[in-house]
Formats: sequence, C-alpha cells, structure tokens
Amino acid sequence: DTAVSQTPKYLVTQMGNDKSIKCEQNLGHDTMYWYKQDSKKFLKIMFSYNNKELIINETVPNRFSPKSPDKAHLNLHINSLELGDSAVYFCASSSLAGHQWGQFFGPGTRLTVL
Amino acid sequence: AQKVTQAQTEISVVEKEDVTLDCVYETRDTTYYLFWYKQPPSGELVFLIRRNSFDEQNEISGRYSWNFQKSTSSFNFTITASQVVDSAVYFCALNRGDTGRRALTFGSGTRLQVQP
Repeated sequence: DTAVSQTPKYLVTQMGNDKSIKCEQNLGHDTMYWYKQDSKKFLKIMFSYNNKELIINETVPNRFSPKSPDKAHLNLHINSLELGDSAVYFCASSSLAGHQWGQFFGPGTRLTVL
Repeated sequence: AQKVTQAQTEISVVEKEDVTLDCVYETRDTTYYLFWYKQPPSGELVFLIRRNSFDEQNEISGRYSWNFQKSTSSFNFTITASQVVDSAVYFCALNRGDTGRRALTFGSGTRLQVQP
C-alpha cells in the first residue's frame, strides 16, 4: 500500500497555463505539507495544513494555492505557470503518534514549464 | 531561525570504504528533532532516522550509524563498507519543537558516489 501518493508523477506544460498536483496519504496523519526541490536539489517548505487548516505559508507567490478537502488530501494548484516554477514538488505527511513519527514523503511530481 | 549545514557537496568513495557525512545545525529551541533522508537517483525521499534532542545515544542500523553531539551541534552519518547502492543524495534535516506539525528545515544535501 502506498503511504503518500502524488499525481501526476510528471507534468510538462506551457508558460501561462494553470495546473494542479494532487496528494493523498493513507497513514491517518493529521498534518500535510508541500515542499519544493529546485534544480540544485535544495528542499524548502511551501505550505503545511493541520486538520484542513493552513498553518504554514512560506513566502510563495500567490499563484500557488493549496487546498485540503479533508485530512487525507492536500492539493496544490498553480496559476499562470512560469519557467521558474519548474521543479520537483513533494507532498509529505506527519503525525505525533507513537515512536515512529516522522515526515513521510510522496514520490514527487516533476513539473517542467516550457 | 534554524539552519542546517552540510558542508560536503559531493563525496566519492570506492566500494567497501567507510564514509562519514557531516551535518551541523543551528537552533534556539531546547526541544528539536534531527533527521536523515536518502534520495536515490530514482528521486524519492527515503526516511532513514529521527533523533530527538534529549537522546544523544549513538545509533547503529546495519552498516549505518549516526553520531549525535549536542556540544558541537552535529549529527553525523557514517556508512560502513559502502556499496554502490548507497549512491544517492543524503539530506540532514531539523524539525523544531515537541510537535510533528512543524516543517523540516533541510541542509543542502551531500551527493555520495560509490564507485565499484
């Protein structure tokens, strides 16, 4: 069973388009995240939701809008895509349950803006 | 503010050599958590270990071991008898506080290449 899944895995699109990335976790976690990994492999937090409430919103352009319909899902919508948005986007989830907690990541979505 | 520094950008070793990946962190919190993740060429992020700030015991898991020293704010990772499959980018990360709901602050990663 996949713990944290993302769709699509690859996304190639033109500048100016609007696109969405979906994330689902079946771990029963109450907190979900979006991270961006740039071309130099640097990973940085974008957003975090706890129980569908936005708790972290880093300095990210307004063109990026996360949406959490329920605790198990956190989607990322990007408007008016720009070349600089090309990156790998990782979804993650976490919980404080037991001694096994940590942040578990999805497989990533490689976004290429042409 | 938190910061994680991985000064080694890239390390190349020959199979069976031991290798240590360095991680130095900065935080004002008294409670925090440190992590190591592995990112193989396939791109996924694989959780390796979590260590809390109150537990300075070293940990060993097979060929992997971790050395946590609060006095030097370091959390180093050693691979013993490296193998080609260990080739990956390794990230050290810091999570503040006693909650799992805060985001990770990552280091810039160390690319390990293990040559056959």
